Amino acid sequence: AQSVTQPDIHITVSEGASLELRCNYSYGATPYLFWYVQSPGQGLQLLLKYFSGDTLVQGIKGFEAEFKRSQSSFNLRKPSVHWSDAAEYFCAVGPYNTDKLIFGTGTRLQVFP
Amino acid sequence: DSGVTQTPKHLITATGQRVTLRCSPRSGDLSVYWYQQSLDQGLQFLIQYYNGEERAKGNILERFSAQQFPDLHSELNLSSLELGDSALYFCASSVTTGVVDEQFFGPGTRLTVL
Repeated sequence: AQSVTQPDIHITVSEGASLELRCNYSYGATPYLFWYVQSPGQGLQLLLKYFSGDTLVQGIKGFEAEFKRSQSSFNLRKPSVHWSDAAEYFCAVGPYNTDKLIFGTGTRLQVFP
Repeated sequence: DSGVTQTPKHLITATGQRVTLRCSPRSGDLSVYWYQQSLDQGLQFLIQYYNGEERAKGNILERFSAQQFPDLHSELNLSSLELGDSALYFCASSVTTGVVDEQFFGPGTRLTVL
């Protein structure tokens, strides 16, 4: 069965520091991969997605993610975190030829000034 | 603002009761998805409708049902409510269907069952 693992429940970084949020997936083939962000009291917003091609994808708000097939990973990165990045981040997989997204458990990001 | 609206924002009810959550998709979107976000289960896909027809089903309980109306808005009906149904319920919409099509999420309805 397809699944997504986000090993870090909670991460704290200082403003201006770099960030990497981990995501591992389990799927028989290359799935479609997504990162969403959920700010307090808000719905989810798509940061970026990977379907095929270049394994380094750029998203909104200065985020990027790299797909590594050998590691079944799709980690999210940002070179310099801003206080407004404090939120919950969800990795999701969309199995090919389906309509549903399977989400990880999320990583809560806290940013200290 | 994603363009997806959900009402009500908050709902407090008692066990055994029935509630209806409403979702209006973005203008032009034909697909509506329902998700449940709870502390113990995380974010889980419940059901999807496309242009009025049920398209995909996830971990939706038999006590829950949904429909999409001709004007494309959707309702999620939750009946015989239990304490464990307390959660944030999200609606999302997309233009067509298939995960390649970006889903836009509404702000959610927080359901509290007492």
